[in-house]
Amino acid sequence: DAKTTQPPSMDCAEGRAANLPCNHSTISGNEYVYWYRQIHSQGPQYIIHGLKNNETNEMASLIITEDRKSSTLILPHATLRDTAVYYCIVINQGGKLIFGQGTELSVKP
Amino acid sequence: GAGVSQSPSNKVTEKGKDVELRCDPISGHTALYWYRQSLGQGLEFLIYFQGNSAPDKSGLPSDRFSAERTGGSVSTLTIQRTQQEDSAVYLCASSLANGTPLHFGNGTRLTVT
Repeated sequence: DAKTTQPPSMDCAEGRAANLPCNHSTISGNEYVYWYRQIHSQGPQYIIHGLKNNETNEMASLIITEDRKSSTLILPHATLRDTAVYYCIVINQGGKLIFGQGTELSVKP
Repeated sequence: GAGVSQSPSNKVTEKGKDVELRCDPISGHTALYWYRQSLGQGLEFLIYFQGNSAPDKSGLPSDRFSAERTGGSVSTLTIQRTQQEDSAVYLCASSLANGTPLHFGNGTRLTVT
């Protein structure tokens, strides 16, 4: 499975949009981009995934570049409860999730 | 609705003892996964079940670790002759089918003294 690169940490002001980048330059055509997050002392939580097109759900939006070599997870109005480690994972359909170190997002009042 | 349930939530055991960790997946989910997370580390894949079969056991760290799943539902992860380096949070996840999003439990925190 393709490797991903994420910044180790980011800050965001409460109420502002949080834009979390992920590079996956070696992604292949049949690999999906998945995002999970892990709030302290809890199990990871699925956020969103996509293949080529941008995706939006009640939690977030996922923007995938046309060449699919990078993506951005957008939390449109970050709250303090969004403070967590965010994992970007690239995976074949049916493959197993391999978690990297993720981005530690701190939402500040 | 009920999510993935793991028990116990905390377990303290003495070095050399055996432990069993239990996972109750979401009803109807055919795929089940075990991960572990050591303090301050990322998640490490251990084993994957499809139904009662385990097509991928590649992450089990040693032969002291084993897992089974019965009735396509409950899974048990067993660690024999525990060592201090086994101390970690053991996380279980299930999904509707292989390749669909995973739903995680909150884990069992294992401490080996």
